[in-house]
Amino acid sequence: DTGVSQDPRHKITKRGQNVTFRCDPISEHNRLYWYRQTLGQGPEFLTYFQNEAQLEKSRLLSDRFSAERPKGSFSTLEIQRTEQGDSAMYLCASSSDYFSPGTGDSYEQYFGPGTRLTVT
Amino acid sequence: AQKITQTQPGMFVQEKEAVTLDCTYDTSDPSYGLFWYKQPSSGEMIFLIYQGSYDQQNATEGRYSLNFQKARKSANLVISASQLGDSAMYFCAMREGRDSSYKLIFGSGTRLLVRP
Repeated sequence: DTGVSQDPRHKITKRGQNVTFRCDPISEHNRLYWYRQTLGQGPEFLTYFQNEAQLEKSRLLSDRFSAERPKGSFSTLEIQRTEQGDSAMYLCASSSDYFSPGTGDSYEQYFGPGTRLTVT
Repeated sequence: AQKITQTQPGMFVQEKEAVTLDCTYDTSDPSYGLFWYKQPSSGEMIFLIYQGSYDQQNATEGRYSLNFQKARKSANLVISASQLGDSAMYFCAMREGRDSSYKLIFGSGTRLLVRP
């Protein structure tokens, strides 16, 4: 297993452009999360999928943001009409619902390397 | 109100010494989980250790241990025998049991620098 992967790792775009990020979770994980991390802060929750269903969205996720997880596999996060305030690291994480003998009920999330977005 | 508070923006420790990173949390949910993650300069969040609210013993994982004081709502991370590779940002996070999404709530982090 190669872990959670994200693409691209870095994205520089001009204000007003649309961008799309991709996340490939660990294959057997049914839960997928998107977080946003700005400089000097901890990650903040954006949205959550269980399989293909988007079950929760944060108030941080404005109408310009949309996320999908077709067929419950990879996920995409699209930002339309980017603004300078969208500049941040976008982190994807996945986890399993299954009780693990090693980690019990922790359901720890495994994070990808993130996509760093810079809006100029 | 802040649910996770990390009051140490930055910490220094001498190589081979132990260091404690502070974390306090706030929840009314009797069922919750506490996590510590390490974030090197590369950006990836690395899971270190987990403590469940009903766990009787403090969690340990190699050189990491979690000093869980439930009544004080604190979950401090202790790193023993610090190594240069431990230099990174460290985040404390909480998952509340009543939240079926299991999303994590993070603190603002502590930057640890290990001196040779």
